[in-house]
Amino acid sequence: DAGVTQSPTHLIKTRGQQVTLRCSPKSGHDTVSWYQQALGQGPQFIFQYYEEEERQRGNFPDRFSGHQFPNYSSELNVNALLLGDSALYLCASSWDRGDEQYFGPGTRLTVT
Amino acid sequence: QKEVEQDPGPLSVPEGAIVSLNCTYSNSAFQYFMWYRQYSRKGPELLMYTYSSGNKEDGRFTAQVDKSSKYISLFIRDSQPSDSATYLCAMRERSGSARQLTFGSGTQLTVLP
Repeated sequence: DAGVTQSPTHLIKTRGQQVTLRCSPKSGHDTVSWYQQALGQGPQFIFQYYEEEERQRGNFPDRFSGHQFPNYSSELNVNALLLGDSALYLCASSWDRGDEQYFGPGTRLTVT
Repeated sequence: QKEVEQDPGPLSVPEGAIVSLNCTYSNSAFQYFMWYRQYSRKGPELLMYTYSSGNKEDGRFTAQVDKSSKYISLFIRDSQPSDSATYLCAMRERSGSARQLTFGSGTQLTVLP
């Protein structure tokens, strides 16, 4: 059983560019959450998708947007990249009626 | 003040030692508590999940929750070098459909052989 997968593993972008990160949830899971983890910090909640809609959003600007597809996979888009967006971006999947969230390996984004 | 406080360490112990990791929180609405282990440059791995106050044991790991003191702990018995990682506490409110997790900043643990 494949766990949560994310792509790409690493990404280097320039300030002002746009980036798209991808996530496939664990088999049987229908809910995807995205988190940002800065170096030396715990993950911060960005938003969660369920039934192809954004269900809840953390304290992140509109430059951060997402999408969920009918197969439950998800994308995170970040526009107008800032140096401060450099972080590990984590995807977590869960079952809507469950409490446990399982994380993928993350995408490390570096903005120069 | 952060909602969840966690001593960042680093914590270094000899192999076989008992390790105690702790978090305090300020939001009394937190009802579900988790511990994740994160190896360098990897995603967090769920170790323990608890709901009520008290203890939950799983192998060498014991999670303890004291809601009256807003304090949670993770104990690791017979620690091994393979336990060397960053340990993150996480918690969430009972209400709300999204079940977003609020994390501590993590404690870096090194178990010396």
